[in-house]
Amino acid sequence: AQSVAQPEDQVNVAEGNPLTVKCTYSVSGNPYLFWYVQYPNRGLQFLLKYITGDNLVKGSYGFEAEFNKSQTSFHLKKPSALVSDSALYFCAVRDGQAGTALIFGKGTTLSVSS
Amino acid sequence: GAGVSQSPSNKVTEKGKDVELRCDPISGHTALYWYRQSLGQGLEFLIYFQGNSAPDKSGLPSDRFSAERTGGSVSTLTIQRTQQEDSAVYLCASSLGQGTVYEQYFGPGTRLTVT
Repeated sequence: AQSVAQPEDQVNVAEGNPLTVKCTYSVSGNPYLFWYVQYPNRGLQFLLKYITGDNLVKGSYGFEAEFNKSQTSFHLKKPSALVSDSALYFCAVRDGQAGTALIFGKGTTLSVSS
Repeated sequence: GAGVSQSPSNKVTEKGKDVELRCDPISGHTALYWYRQSLGQGLEFLIYFQGNSAPDKSGLPSDRFSAERTGGSVSTLTIQRTQQEDSAVYLCASSLGQGTVYEQYFGPGTRLTVT
């Protein structure tokens, strides 16, 4: 069965510091991985995706994520956090062999302090 | 261009009543998804439509939930005999196609409260 784990409910970082939001996944086929962000009272916004190719994927707002097949991880990173990055982040996976919808993790709240 | 829109933005209903939630996908998007976001539960897939194919209903939690998509565009999610555990934010998303390369674009959601 497909699943996504985001082991941290909350991540706190200071503005200007690097940030990492962790995600691990489990699928039976090839994984297709996504990160979405949700600002308060707003819908989910697409950040980036890994389908194939380079393991390091760059996305919106300076975010990037690294696909690691051996560790079944797809951690979201940013070199220098901004207060405006504070939001709820969701990792999602789609199994290349089966399934049509995204399977989401439970989300990680990122709090960036000034 | 216009994104995915949903209506109403908020709905308060009494236990046992039926509710209808509407989703207008992005024009030209052939795939449409419904998800439910409950506090502490993350996002839960409900149902998926792709073109004229039969919908994937595998995520619907009970037979009180149903959805239809008319003319390959607007979709309505119906919850019959609502229960308090149905209280959640219901999100609709659309994408250009079924393929895994297509990201999904989400609407702002409908917050349903069952009293």
